Amino acid sequence: DTGVSQDPRHKITKRGQNVTFRCDPISEHNRLYWYRQTLGQGPEFLTYFQNEAQLEKSRLLSDRFSAERPKGSFSTLEIQRTEQGDSAMYLCASTRDRGDTGELFFGEGSRLTVL
Amino acid sequence: AQKITQTQPGMFVQEKEAVTLDCTYDTSDQSYGLFWYKQPSSGEMIFLIYQGSYDEQNATEGRYSLNFQKARKSANLVISASQLGDSAMYFCAIQGGSEKLVFGKGTKLTVNP
Repeated sequence: DTGVSQDPRHKITKRGQNVTFRCDPISEHNRLYWYRQTLGQGPEFLTYFQNEAQLEKSRLLSDRFSAERPKGSFSTLEIQRTEQGDSAMYLCASTRDRGDTGELFFGEGSRLTVL
Repeated sequence: AQKITQTQPGMFVQEKEAVTLDCTYDTSDQSYGLFWYKQPSSGEMIFLIYQGSYDEQNATEGRYSLNFQKARKSANLVISASQLGDSAMYFCAIQGGSEKLVFGKGTKLTVNP
């Protein structure tokens, strides 16, 4: 399978703990995105990387959130001191430089539950 | 800033019939793109169709077509000959001057046999 891969698929943690999600984009896709989706809502943009550079961040990305993409390949999203409001599906997407449609290829997401 | 409004929380359609999912948008950008994604229960967002703001023809992709009415700021998705596998959440999204997609709240489509 050469699609976008996310790990873990599910994570249950206690409030105050740190969690980290990993995203492996489609090979040779230089653009990588993180979105967050809460129940009953559409995905909300968190951040965007072009190669290893983080070029855009949403105000939703508080100081407790940090994302990296070392060497422009896989990416990690870390949430420190988790809160119950962080419970959501975290979606990763990738694409090449903009083509005709700008289609994003999404992974199946990492679902976080904070108790 | 961009905004997407999907006013239909849920829609029902009989198998083999056509269905229209509504989407209206608001943007201050002159150049923008409109997207439709499907999200089955597995969670993965699947790209369906794209319409550029300067495209004069309505986009079509197989059984999907996008009814683009620029003056009314609407970008409705039409699914022809519905199949049971079309049952899913459908999200309309817009992209303007930045890299981010702004999504609506979605419409849950149920296809009945």
